[in-house]
Amino acid sequence: NAGVTQTPKFQVLKTGQSMTLQCAQDMNHEYMSWYRQDPGMGLRLIHYSVGAGITDQGEVPNGYNVSRSTTEDFPLRLLSAAPSQTSVYFCASSIPGVDGYTFGSGTRLTVV
Amino acid sequence: AQSVSQHNHHVILSEAASLELGCNYSYGGTVNLFWYVQYPGQHLQLLLKYFSGDPLVKGIKGFEAEFIKSKFSFNLRKPSVQWSDTAEYFCGGGYNKLIFGAGTRLAVHP
Repeated sequence: NAGVTQTPKFQVLKTGQSMTLQCAQDMNHEYMSWYRQDPGMGLRLIHYSVGAGITDQGEVPNGYNVSRSTTEDFPLRLLSAAPSQTSVYFCASSIPGVDGYTFGSGTRLTVV
Repeated sequence: AQSVSQHNHHVILSEAASLELGCNYSYGGTVNLFWYVQYPGQHLQLLLKYFSGDPLVKGIKGFEAEFIKSKFSFNLRKPSVQWSDTAEYFCGGGYNKLIFGAGTRLAVHP
C-alpha cells in the first residue's frame, strides 16, 4: 500500500511553461484534493474531487486545471506558469466521515 | 462561506509546559474537524479527528482536542510538551472539501 504518491518531488519551470503534477492513490479513496503551502498562509485548497468525473474549485483555483478520469489519479495542470505559483504542492485523499485525509510527500515547484 | 481560523501563529514553550492551540470553524452541515502536524521538511500527519460523538477526542502522541459546538471551536491540547513536539500544527474542517487554518508554529525549548 503506497498511499498517496506525488511526482515529481522537485521541479523548476520558466515563466510561461506548462507542466502537470501527478498524484495517485491506491486506497480506493473517493475524495482527492490539491493544496498549495506558502509561508504564513497555511495550506490553501486549489481544486478538489468527490469522485471520478467530478471536480470543483477550491480557494485558489486560478491558473490551475484538474481532471479526474479514474478513482486513482488526480493530476494538477499549470497551463502557463507564473512566479506566483512558486510553492509546495500537496495532494491528499480520503473517504469522508471514515478517516482523515492522507497526504502525499509534496512537490516543491519553483517558477523563475 | 466555509472558513477555519487559528488564533496563535507562533507559540514558544519550555519542555513540560502545557499546550493549548485555538481553532474556530465557520460552516454549516456535517462537522468533520481535524488537527494535523507537520515536522520540518515533512508532509502532514493526522493527529486526531472529530466526526461525531464524544466531544473530547484523543489522538496520537498524547494530544487531545475538545469540540465545543456552541463556540464553534476545536482546540488542541497537550498536558506536557516535549522538544520533539516542535512543528507546525494545522486545524482543518469540512466534509466535501477540507479547509485549513493558517497554522501555528510551535517551538519547544529544552
